[in-house]
Amino acid sequence: AQKVTQAQTEISVVEKEDVTLDCVYETRDTTYYLFWYKQPPSGELVFLIRRNSFDEQNEISGRYSWNFQKSTSSFNFTITASQVVDSAVYFCALSADSNYQLIWGAGTKLIIKP
Amino acid sequence: DVKVTQSSRYLVKRTGEKVFLECVQDMDHENMFWYRQDPGLGLRLIYFSYDVKMKEKGDIPEGYSVSREKKERFSLILESASTNQTSMYLCASSLQGVTYEQYFGPGTRLTVT
Repeated sequence: AQKVTQAQTEISVVEKEDVTLDCVYETRDTTYYLFWYKQPPSGELVFLIRRNSFDEQNEISGRYSWNFQKSTSSFNFTITASQVVDSAVYFCALSADSNYQLIWGAGTKLIIKP
Repeated sequence: DVKVTQSSRYLVKRTGEKVFLECVQDMDHENMFWYRQDPGLGLRLIYFSYDVKMKEKGDIPEGYSVSREKKERFSLILESASTNQTSMYLCASSLQGVTYEQYFGPGTRLTVT
């Protein structure tokens, strides 16, 4: 069975702190894809990143970075120097060749206090 | 930029009414999806379509049907709305296959009274 676990239900930090959102996945497929999405209070889910199982290089985009580790089946997301606008619910998701749909984590609500 | 639009942001309907939720994408995507999102339950797939006139059931298809007559449009139909269908409905589209990211519309918050 495939599964995505986001154990952190809610995280609250003060602006400018760094914060890491955890994502642990389970799959037996050798080829799979991992995604992060952001859902701000407005409600629209915004795609952030896609990573395939053969590419373990870390990704950095501005204040955002992603750490993919197959050894621990994790795909963690770090926001550096957080800002109030980063407040949102963040979802991790998994897709694999054996499954026609995305498997979603439950989401982590991130609150950035000014 | 990919754009997915949904016909309404907010909708209030009465129990037993037939409800149509429309979704349109402008990027020639093959795949389209309907989800509902409820607190504590995350995103659950209702139906998806990988081509015109094709549809597949997701995790919670009961009480819903879909229609895809044109590539860019995917409609979700509640044949007889019930209060337990009060929810946020999200439409998404993607290129064909499981490898591609899905792009979402703004959502429709449906209240059934």
